[in-house]
Amino acid sequence: DAGITQSPRHKVTETGTPVTLRCHQTENHRYMYWYRQDPGHGLRLIHYSYGVKDTDKGEVSDGYSVSRSKTEDFLLTLESATSSQTSVYFCAISESWQGVKAFFGQGTRLTVV
Amino acid sequence: AQKVTQAQTEISVVEKEDVTLDCVYETRDTTYYLFWYKQPPSGELVFLIRRNSFDEQNEISGRYSWNFQKSTSSFNFTITASQVVDSAVYFCALSGRGGQGAQKLVFGQGTRLTINP
Repeated sequence: DAGITQSPRHKVTETGTPVTLRCHQTENHRYMYWYRQDPGHGLRLIHYSYGVKDTDKGEVSDGYSVSRSKTEDFLLTLESATSSQTSVYFCAISESWQGVKAFFGQGTRLTVV
Repeated sequence: AQKVTQAQTEISVVEKEDVTLDCVYETRDTTYYLFWYKQPPSGELVFLIRRNSFDEQNEISGRYSWNFQKSTSSFNFTITASQVVDSAVYFCALSGRGGQGAQKLVFGQGTRLTINP
């Protein structure tokens, strides 16, 4: 399987605190993505990156920011966590839109109390 | 806008029964890709299949088969002779050409499949 590592795997944080999730890849893929998974919604795209320092918004980007300073790392930041951001977050990588598949990380379960 | 609908929220069958998971999609793109992913209880996402919009051939892989029909915008997934290990949440997803060539996936809500012994 593709080398994608998400950290942390589990986190509990308080409302109003900043939180950063990290995605690290060893596949040298150009594209990286952050999705969130919620019951009844499947997975929804938050932000994605198409290169170092190149990012764009997805479907549910409000309240999130991202950064990519190296090809292998893609960070997702919740500037001030809210209870509505309690979710499971998945990082994914792909070669291009015509690539065979997106490879997903193991997920990060974030609980905001 | 693209949309994927999996109308079946939960399905429960007895082992060895055949089961079909429905997927209906909406897109204005002429070139697109359809996917099925499996999410077992352990939580990871497992890729099952990808089909491009120009290839309407049905696919069979062991007990799994997929029926793609552009006329009805459907990409259904059938498990033959189901087994307990097939219990999982299954997601159908759609990808058109995203900004800068990204593979932006739009997922359905998922179907939770339970296979009872």
